[in-house]
Amino acid sequence: EVRLVESGGGLGRPGGSLRLSCAASGFAFETYEMHWVRQAPGKGLEWISYIDFSDGAAYYADSVKGRFTISRDNAKKSLDLDMNSLRDDDTAVYYCARGPPPFDPWGPGTLVTVAS
Amino acid sequence: EIVMTQSPAVLSVSPGERAILSCRASQSVGSDLAWHQQKPGQAPRLIMYGAYVRATGVPARFSGSGSGTEFTLTISSLQSEDFAVYYCLQYNNWPPLTFGGGTKVEIK
Repeated sequence: EVRLVESGGGLGRPGGSLRLSCAASGFAFETYEMHWVRQAPGKGLEWISYIDFSDGAAYYADSVKGRFTISRDNAKKSLDLDMNSLRDDDTAVYYCARGPPPFDPWGPGTLVTVAS
Repeated sequence: EIVMTQSPAVLSVSPGERAILSCRASQSVGSDLAWHQQKPGQAPRLIMYGAYVRATGVPARFSGSGSGTEFTLTISSLQSEDFAVYYCLQYNNWPPLTFGGGTKVEIK
């Protein structure tokens, strides 16, 4: 079974940092690009980041560019998102999703709350 | 950036009736359009891609149509498990990948 499970969510302080992880299983992780998508409470879906399957090439949404860094460890079948300079509007459920788009499957998500 | 606009925001439908959801792109996305279904407290689930191709396990009552800038998701006879929020996603020209704002299909 193809499975993605996020972890690392919780309470972050404005200006602080958090690291999210996504554990993959059931497929050849090293051959798939991966993405992060987030959803603020009661709001829609926002794509935030992509990483290539091999050379680590990455893209970011303008809303997180320069603050968030996506990375992966193919040996551990793990995808990470380093979140720095957190802001209140980063509060959201963060999903990892297997690419290429249109995304299938998604993980169940992990909630990040940014508050002082 | 391609802007995706969904309508209506809320669709009230009785079980057994047909639901028609619309998604419009600010510029052509060809057929690179997907639909995702999201139920409360759950992750989104892919139900349609390539504008009209049903994802694995999706019932035939779901159908997609359109190309270019205008797309439609039709649910022919709504079942209780279909009441959810539906998002369209364009993947023709990115980054950024862009979603529509969603259509909530609720019980009338």
